[in-house]
Amino acid sequence: QSALTQPPSASGSPGQSVTISCTGTSSDVGFYNYVSWYQQYPGKAPKLMIYEVSKRPSGVPDRFSGSKSGNTASLTVSGLQTEDEADYYCTSYAGSNNLVFGGGTKLTVL
Amino acid sequence: QVHLVQSGPEVQKPGASVKVSCKASGYTFTNDAITWVRQAPGQGLEWLGWISPHNSKTNSAQNLHGRVTMTTDTSTGTAYVEVRSLTTDDTAIYYCARGGVLTGYESWGQGTLVTVSS
Repeated sequence: QSALTQPPSASGSPGQSVTISCTGTSSDVGFYNYVSWYQQYPGKAPKLMIYEVSKRPSGVPDRFSGSKSGNTASLTVSGLQTEDEADYYCTSYAGSNNLVFGGGTKLTVL
Repeated sequence: QVHLVQSGPEVQKPGASVKVSCKASGYTFTNDAITWVRQAPGQGLEWLGWISPHNSKTNSAQNLHGRVTMTTDTSTGTAYVEVRSLTTDDTAIYYCARGGVLTGYESWGQGTLVTVSS
């Protein structure tokens, strides 16, 4: 399986909204509703922010939302805060008990 | 509270093998799969595979070409990943996480740095 495609970087000012895309194929993102998003700070383990396309685990602020259209999933961060500056990774189920990650997006809060 | 505690850093030579452990606590070990993910220095996350402690069913990423073996010890609640025929490209932080391919991973180990160097 090929990695999902994410933009290497994204940025926004505090209070603004930013959307990070995650493009796969009709065999992964486009076929299954098992897309997750992770936030990772340098030197730390990833943290689950969104699962099953748009569901938020307990404790994740509702400023984080997920969606999907066709082969592309998206993570939107509304009301950007300085602590949102981190790397973000998407994953998708790819069938046959396989998972694929995106290449990651570095979010900068200007 | 769920905890996944991994073994300490490793330094291995090219061609050798390494085995990393992940001890789980705070939940019923056999109820959920354990997934392994790695991250090379300055790079993104790479899915390695998963194992079900309940029946030892596993699946590994195809690009590893059979060099990875995942096992569990249900008596101690510990999962293991072994990587054979190491190359410098295997230098990475190896993470374990609770869950299989459909679930998001809410619980992660702290990571184990594996360095492959001659």
